[in-house]
Amino acid sequence: LAKTTQPISMDSYEGQEVNITCSHNNIATNDYITWYQQFPSQGPRFIIQGYKTKVTNEVASLFIPADRKSSTLSLPRVSLSDTAVYYCLVGGPGGGKLIFGQGTELSVKP
Amino acid sequence: NAGVTQTPKFRVLKTGQSMTLLCAQDMNHEYMYWYRQDPGMGLRLIHYSVGEGTTAKGEVPDGYNVSRLKKQNFLLGLESAAPSQTSVYFCASSWTGGNQPQHFGDGTRLSIL
Repeated sequence: LAKTTQPISMDSYEGQEVNITCSHNNIATNDYITWYQQFPSQGPRFIIQGYKTKVTNEVASLFIPADRKSSTLSLPRVSLSDTAVYYCLVGGPGGGKLIFGQGTELSVKP
Repeated sequence: NAGVTQTPKFRVLKTGQSMTLLCAQDMNHEYMYWYRQDPGMGLRLIHYSVGEGTTAKGEVPDGYNVSRLKKQNFLLGLESAAPSQTSVYFCASSWTGGNQPQHFGDGTRLSIL
């Protein structure tokens, strides 16, 4: 199974761009990369998903290099409400091969 | 539209007791999952289901059983609870597998004494 690794914690200030990188060296050909956000006492919430190159939605961008062994979640102009834990997930279409990273605790300061 | 609902939200058990965690989704999703979340270890897949009447083992299935008698419900059972099963349990659902976003419930915090 693929192992996903991400930094345990990061600090930032309001208005800055934050980039969180996840390493997944053993990613399989049909695996997708998904990022989730989790607040205390809540379940994870979907942010963005991609397979290769760049994906952008209204809240984030996801950059995936050609070898797909890593991915970077980019949060533009963070605010205090972006303080949360961010998880990287690598998984294929079958349902059983789902590997979460340990989570990155992002702290946004005023 | 409730999404994914987990019952109960909190529970304390004694070692050796049994209990069932309930998960219900109203999005007509085919796939459902049970995870446990422990400090520093992220979420680990316990069991999953790819449709009504099906179940399969995930990464950490020992000590747990599951059933999916109805498409909207996924039950997680602990037959003989152990302190090592103290954790926060999350249920999730999705249209298909890992290439689709999952929708999570808000978790069940389970303590086993």
